[in-house]
Amino acid sequence: GENVEQHPSTLSVQEGDSAVIKCTYSDSASNYFPWYKQELGKGPQLIIDIRSNVGEKKDQRIAVTLNKTAKHFSLHITETQPEDSAVYFCAAPGGTSYGKLTFGQGTILTVHP
Amino acid sequence: DAGVIQSPRHEVTEMGQEVTLRCKPISGHNSLFWYRQTMMRGLELLIYFNNNVPIDDSGMPEDRFSAKMPNASFSTLKIQPSEPRDSAVYFCASSRGVETQYFGPGTRLLVL
Repeated sequence: GENVEQHPSTLSVQEGDSAVIKCTYSDSASNYFPWYKQELGKGPQLIIDIRSNVGEKKDQRIAVTLNKTAKHFSLHITETQPEDSAVYFCAAPGGTSYGKLTFGQGTILTVHP
Repeated sequence: DAGVIQSPRHEVTEMGQEVTLRCKPISGHNSLFWYRQTMMRGLELLIYFNNNVPIDDSGMPEDRFSAKMPNASFSTLKIQPSEPRDSAVYFCASSRGVETQYFGPGTRLLVL
């Protein structure tokens, strides 16, 4: 099955700085890579995703890059704000059907004002 | 759309009692997932259904855990008997086939 590794486990930045979270996956059949943000007391919410036919996708201050050869993908947050503080999860489906995802271990991002 | 609905939002029970968690997926979604989240183990997939049929229950920790999906708009996760180590946040998520999973707000379970 799919194995997803996520780093770092914690990340602390100053407001306005950039933050980068990296994930690697094992199953070359994975073709969809979502990122979720989980705020305290809430369920994970999708913030951006990328499919294997593109190398980069941007949505305002967040972007995701994908390197299929190296089997890794990254989340980039620019101009961080205190409200970006949360736990972030990457995920990959492997070669499974039905939408099953394997999640990374999560990154606790803290943005200091 | 109302999103994924879970109930109850909080549950406190005593060891040995039966616990039933409920989930209503997003209308039109045909895959449903049950997860457990703890600090120690992170986000664990317990079981998932497609078109109301259980596809993979290999993540269910023990026979004390069972899940059903009697129809496309309702699923339950039952723990009987409950133990303190079952204390966690339980999430339900749904998706339309292989598309994005949408999570509910979770049920915070405390077993004393």
